[in-house]
Amino acid sequence: NAGVTQTPKFQVLKTGQSMTLQCAQDMNHNSMYWYRQDPGMGLRLIYYSASEGTTDKGEVPNGYNVSRLNKREFSLRLESAAPSQTSVYFCASSDLYRGMNTEAFFGQGTRLTVV
Amino acid sequence: DQQVKQNSPSLSVQEGRISILNCDYTNSMFDYFLWYKKYPAEGPTFLISISSIKDKNEDGRFTVFLNKSAKHLSLHIVPSQPGDSAVYFCAAWDSGTYKYIFGTGTRLKVLA
Repeated sequence: NAGVTQTPKFQVLKTGQSMTLQCAQDMNHNSMYWYRQDPGMGLRLIYYSASEGTTDKGEVPNGYNVSRLNKREFSLRLESAAPSQTSVYFCASSDLYRGMNTEAFFGQGTRLTVV
Repeated sequence: DQQVKQNSPSLSVQEGRISILNCDYTNSMFDYFLWYKKYPAEGPTFLISISSIKDKNEDGRFTVFLNKSAKHLSLHIVPSQPGDSAVYFCAAWDSGTYKYIFGTGTRLKVLA
């Protein structure tokens, strides 16, 4: 199984350009998440989707939009990229099995540079 | 406001000795905690977890301790190995909103 797959792995954008980061999971998980990792800031939640058909803002949603396309796929869109969005982006998925807590599984990350 | 805090950005330990990584949280409603390990250019990988109904969980060389009254958890690695050198993230599961809240991470360096 591939687990959580993110594309692309690397991207350079010019300020003002738009792009969509793709994420797909093959574990039949209900919940999906987008985090960004910045030095000294840890993993900060951008948006998440607790279940198919729902999305919610996390800590740092400004400048981003998301789409839960189906149960497998959760995309993150930057409409007008800014240098402050230079970061490493991680997609993750998880599930609640029979009401018990479980861990989140992460993709390999997308390293985005906005110049 | 940071709900999950890792106050030590870095830690160096000799190979074979114990590594202790600490984490504090502010929300007493958190009831499930996790530790993740992250190598450069890779995604975080799950290491060990603990439910709030326990105060200790052990998995091989890794043990997590939870002190609910102090809102504190720690990860012990014994014995430490050079391959343990990585960034470790503490996380809490917010069961009210179905999301994981991560700390800022501690970079562990195990010296051979």
